Amino acid sequence: AQRVTQPEKLLSVFKGAPVELKCNYSYSGSPELFWYVQYSRQRLQLLLRHISRESIKGFTADLNKGETSFHLKKPFAQEEDSAMYYCALYAGNMLTFGGGTRLMVKP
Amino acid sequence: GAVVSQHPSWVICKSGTSVKIECRSLDFQATTMFWYRQFPKQSLMLMATSNEGSKATYEQGVEKDKFLINHASLTLSTLTVTSAHPEDSSFYICSARDPGIFYEQYFGPGTRLTVT
Repeated sequence: AQRVTQPEKLLSVFKGAPVELKCNYSYSGSPELFWYVQYSRQRLQLLLRHISRESIKGFTADLNKGETSFHLKKPFAQEEDSAMYYCALYAGNMLTFGGGTRLMVKP
Repeated sequence: GAVVSQHPSWVICKSGTSVKIECRSLDFQATTMFWYRQFPKQSLMLMATSNEGSKATYEQGVEKDKFLINHASLTLSTLTVTSAHPEDSSFYICSARDPGIFYEQYFGPGTRLTVT
């Protein structure tokens, strides 16, 4: 069975500092990985998907199959980045979510 | 992008009563919808997968007789919490799969259920 682990429940950084939200997965097949974000009082929304190799709002994530990781990175955090971030794995016709990391960006 | 709505956004009910939550895809047809449960400060846990015109597939540990799911049309799925108890109080979120991209899901805003 697939599993997604986000080791940090809370990550607090100052504005302008680099950010890395960690995500590790376990899955025997070829993974489809995503990052979702949930801003305060808003619905969950897709931030980015590994298959697109895109950068959204300055965030990037690289799939490392050797380390089974899909860490989310941003070189300079902004206050508006404060939110809950969920890493998710699509497999077996369903999304499996990690426990989530709350990112707090302090002024 | 595609929009998914949920109704109601917040409901309070007495223990022993049943509550129905609706999930609608507003501008696309969703053959598959998903129901999640989210406890405070925790992640989303998949409860069941709802397929239009067929029975829902429930995850292990989810009581199908307690959480009734109906997906009668391509734009509507309903979750009925039967004989609700205080431990059923939670945030229920639905999502709908984009028919054009098999792994793309759009999430509703969620429904907060409080059972007194």
